[in-house]
Amino acid sequence: GAGVSQSPSNKVTEKGKDVELRCDPISGHTALYWYRQSLGQGLEFLIYFQGNSAPDKSGLPSDRFSAERTGGSVSTLTIQRTQQEDSAVYLCASSSGTHNEQFFGPGTRLTVL
Amino acid sequence: GDSVTQMEGPVTLSEEAFLTINCTYTATGYPSLFWYVQYPGEGLQLLLKATKADDKGSNKGFEATYRKETTSFHLEKGSVQVSDSAVYFCALSPKPAGGTSYGKLTFGQGTILTVHP
Repeated sequence: GAGVSQSPSNKVTEKGKDVELRCDPISGHTALYWYRQSLGQGLEFLIYFQGNSAPDKSGLPSDRFSAERTGGSVSTLTIQRTQQEDSAVYLCASSSGTHNEQFFGPGTRLTVL
Repeated sequence: GDSVTQMEGPVTLSEEAFLTINCTYTATGYPSLFWYVQYPGEGLQLLLKATKADDKGSNKGFEATYRKETTSFHLEKGSVQVSDSAVYFCALSPKPAGGTSYGKLTFGQGTILTVHP
């Protein structure tokens, strides 16, 4: 079946602009995660959605970052007033197993000039 | 809080050599443990998992055993191939006693493996 998909695959933006990154999880998966991968910081957790529960936003680095999940499926990560330190690969994952195996999308590479 | 420590890389081996990548963790309870692999230019793929003490996860010739007494989950392969060149990440998912795993994965820093012909 289809895996996790993300769009766009690459995004180049200018400092100060807003960007939206999209994630389509595996159909039927109730949990959805956003992570960020950068050279200096490794893999960082950003935010976690589980069903209809309030999301766990504990990993968001600043109030410029927000995310929503509509209809329990597609999610959008929004970064406002982008900064150069936001440049990274943004990864989305979904899971639905007892043991929380997470399946990752290919990522969106964000470059802030 | 939870943490995962992987051996420092990068690791460079010749084809058919034996591979070990060390991973140790700190967590409360009995977390689920995973190895993920990231091939050049691709996303993370789940390689194998173990969900309780003494479980052995295996896939594609790779193995790792969940050692509660040493809080370790070392990745091994008896004979590596050039196609195994990738970055390998050890990760854990928290799991309360008697419960199910949920929530964010905590990752190690990743180990770059390069296999030469």
